[in-house]
Amino acid sequence: DAGVIQSPRHEVTEMGQEVTLRCKPISGHNSLFWYRQTMMRGLELLIYFNNNVPIDDSGMPEDRFSAKMPNASFSTLKIQPSEPRDSAVYFCASSLVGGGASPYEQYFGPGTRLTVT
Amino acid sequence: DAKTTQPTSMDCAEGRAANLPCNHSTISGNEYVYWYRQIHSQGPQYIIHGLKNNETNEMASLIITEDRKSSTLILPHATLRDTAVYYCIVSVAGGTSYGKLTFGQGTILTVHP
Repeated sequence: DAGVIQSPRHEVTEMGQEVTLRCKPISGHNSLFWYRQTMMRGLELLIYFNNNVPIDDSGMPEDRFSAKMPNASFSTLKIQPSEPRDSAVYFCASSLVGGGASPYEQYFGPGTRLTVT
Repeated sequence: DAKTTQPTSMDCAEGRAANLPCNHSTISGNEYVYWYRQIHSQGPQYIIHGLKNNETNEMASLIITEDRKSSTLILPHATLRDTAVYYCIVSVAGGTSYGKLTFGQGTILTVHP
């Protein structure tokens, strides 16, 4: 299994530009999570989906952030417009809920390091 | 979810057992204890979880006290590659939680030669 795939691995953009981060979860998993990590705030959950439906987006910092999951194998996190304070490492994780599996056994991708100048 | 308290940092000699404590004195009866670790520049990695019985897998052992107010993650033979931040997380399984995890600051474990 290839694990959770994220792209790009690194992104450098200028303030005001739109940024799109992509995630491909592990095949067969039905929950997907987007996290953000900074030195100041640690690892924060932004939003998570179950069966492609957003369940909780209370961690999304503001309206500039949006996330979609059009199908079971793809999700995007978009920031428009981007700001320097959005600079962070963004992780995507997936897990299997139901069928006896533990939903807390999440598998994380390698992350996307975003720098907004 | 119950709050957890972990030491900020710990050291361990290579080849020795690393015992990482976690306090979760307000844990509820339906809350599980989960451990993750994050090696520098990588995504967090699931290690182990338990409810009230001790658990062991290929990576580690989890010892939960009888009153469930604290637990210890044991890496039996620590290697340099075990140097990482270790997170202890308490969460309710099932219902509408769908696996939502809240990460704290964790314990920085440094394994030295």
